[in-house]
Amino acid sequence: DSGVTQTPKHLITATGQRVTLRCSPRSGDLSVYWYQQSLDQGLQFLIQYYNGEERAKGNILERFSAQQFPDLHSELNLSSLELGDSALYFCASSVGVAGGSGEQFFGPGTRLTVL
Amino acid sequence: AQTVTQSQPEMSVQEAETVTLSCTYDTSESDYYLFWYKQPPSRQMILVIRQEAYKQQNATENRFSVNFQKAAKSFSLKISDSQLGDAAMYFCAYKGRGAQKLVFGQGTRLTINP
Repeated sequence: DSGVTQTPKHLITATGQRVTLRCSPRSGDLSVYWYQQSLDQGLQFLIQYYNGEERAKGNILERFSAQQFPDLHSELNLSSLELGDSALYFCASSVGVAGGSGEQFFGPGTRLTVL
Repeated sequence: AQTVTQSQPEMSVQEAETVTLSCTYDTSESDYYLFWYKQPPSRQMILVIRQEAYKQQNATENRFSVNFQKAAKSFSLKISDSQLGDAAMYFCAYKGRGAQKLVFGQGTRLTINP
């Protein structure tokens, strides 16, 4: 158990809908990262927040957005969902803005299925 | 941009034997971290081992060790005395020291034959 929690574990929805994925980092970690794992794109970095502020952006679609709240939990919002958005979404956390020792600790993931 | 390549989509090994998974990377940075992550069928991403680029000594964690060749930009993982529980997808990952994101390879699926 990494100490990072993600809810829900599974999410099934229809095209065009909007969903919210939630992540709570390890105690003491200020950085939260979101990654997408899909069959065709592999594991890709989406976005990072550090202590409430966006710090890095990867290949995140405009239909996707994220935020980190004062209690440090983060939410990833996916809207106007398409079939291709079906994937496993991971949240990871680390102590510092650039990860300190480099390590990022991953949550169990949320499996999103868009029908 | 940094890239990570795992040239072996699948590997198999007999239980109790040794297997080596390959990883190469491309970067112009001199200071960075390299990682091997394990993803079992549960889908959890588990950190197996970490190497800092400025350390010449290869990292070791119990039955897991790496062969880090900085000049060749190669970072292979050796699993000794393979166990059934080692069966998983293994991902090699790169992170620049000051960077935020991990860059992952495509993964190697390891099967352990009893």
